Amino acid sequence: DVKVTQSSRYLVKRTGEKVFLECVQDMDHENMFWYRQDPGLGLRLIYFSYDVKMKEKGDIPEGYSVSREKKERFSLILESASTNQTSMYLCASSWDRVWNTEAFFGQGTRLTVV
Amino acid sequence: AQSVTQPDIHITVSEGASLELRCNYSYGATPYLFWYVQSPGQGLQLLLKYFSGDTLVQGIKGFEAEFKRSQSSFNLRKPSVHWSDAAEYFCAVGSGSARQLTFGSGTQLTVLP
Repeated sequence: DVKVTQSSRYLVKRTGEKVFLECVQDMDHENMFWYRQDPGLGLRLIYFSYDVKMKEKGDIPEGYSVSREKKERFSLILESASTNQTSMYLCASSWDRVWNTEAFFGQGTRLTVV
Repeated sequence: AQSVTQPDIHITVSEGASLELRCNYSYGATPYLFWYVQSPGQGLQLLLKYFSGDTLVQGIKGFEAEFKRSQSSFNLRKPSVHWSDAAEYFCAVGSGSARQLTFGSGTQLTVLP
């Protein structure tokens, strides 16, 4: 089975802290994604990557950055956490340029910024 | 830009009753459409997907969806709901260089015994 693993299920951080959310996939997927999930808003794309060291902004990149140094790992970075970044964060991965595919999701990290 | 609308925030059905969850999309080209389900505390699981061909697609857990281009819709159906179907359901359209997903706001399904 494809596995997308997020390093933490729950995190509590203080305002102004630098926060790292880690995601690892074990299926050699080219594409990786970070989404944010908020009630009533569904999932919104923060950043995605289609190759190592490549990244693209999604719909809501402000306040976030990402790193992809290895194919299997995609990190989301909050440079200076703020209370409005309290949310559920979901990582996903998929194969590249094959339309008959799907995105596989991790379990999510619920981040609380206090 | 693409968008997805799920007009029903919350639906309640009795166990054994039929179910239809609505999804409307806006996209300039041939859409690539998905339905995902999220159980409490879990990540998202793919129920079914549409890329081309037969407009009625079958998925897991007895779900099906019908693509109607004229109505820009991709509604999810199940003939008889089980209590374990209680969850949040998301419709999504895939596009872009990495076929990144644009999601609707979700429909929360409650199943009454």
